[in-house]
Amino acid sequence: DAGVTQSPTHLIKTRGQQVTLRCSPKSGHDTVSWYQQALGQEPQFIFQYYEEEERQRGNFPDRFSGHQFPNYSSELNVNALLLGDSALYLCASSLRMDLRPENTIYFGEGSWLTVV
Amino acid sequence: AQSVSQHNHHVILSEAASLELGCNYSYGGTVNLFWYVQYPGQHLQLLLKYFSGDPLVKGIKGFEAEFIKSKFSFNLRKPSVQWSDTAEYFCAVNANNQGGKLIFGQGTELSVKP
Repeated sequence: DAGVTQSPTHLIKTRGQQVTLRCSPKSGHDTVSWYQQALGQEPQFIFQYYEEEERQRGNFPDRFSGHQFPNYSSELNVNALLLGDSALYLCASSLRMDLRPENTIYFGEGSWLTVV
Repeated sequence: AQSVSQHNHHVILSEAASLELGCNYSYGGTVNLFWYVQYPGQHLQLLLKYFSGDPLVKGIKGFEAEFIKSKFSFNLRKPSVQWSDTAEYFCAVNANNQGGKLIFGQGTELSVKP
């Protein structure tokens, strides 16, 4: 049973460029959330997707956008990259939006983005 | 706004010592509480979670946590740490009306000396 898989694992981009990160949720999960974890910091919630719609959003600018596909996989897009966007981007999946005791959130290993 | 505070940024212990990591949150409503561990180079793993019921929660690897509602706290404990417990520990809160959004504390780096 595959866990949460993310790609790519590492990438380097130049300021001003655009990046797309991908996530496949754990088998049976239908909800995907994205987090940004800067080096030495805690994960920060970017947004959550359920039924192909953005359901919640954290304090991130519109340069951060996403998409969820019918197979529940998701993409995170960041436009006009800034040096400060360098971070580990984590994907988390769960069954349904609302957390319940029987519904654990699983995290992927993340995509390391370096903006130079 | 909700927030989560972990007061210990770096804790250094010897093997077999007891561990307690503090976690306090600010939110007036019903919350669900979590502790995650992040081993070097690995993904976040759930140690334990609290939704309701017995405020003393047991998790994996011998960890436990106690929810004290009056103190808005959810401290993590382990009676005897091992070198393999060296990792970053994050407390996280989910408010009942906030879907699946987790708010994390700043993390506590635990170093266990053999």
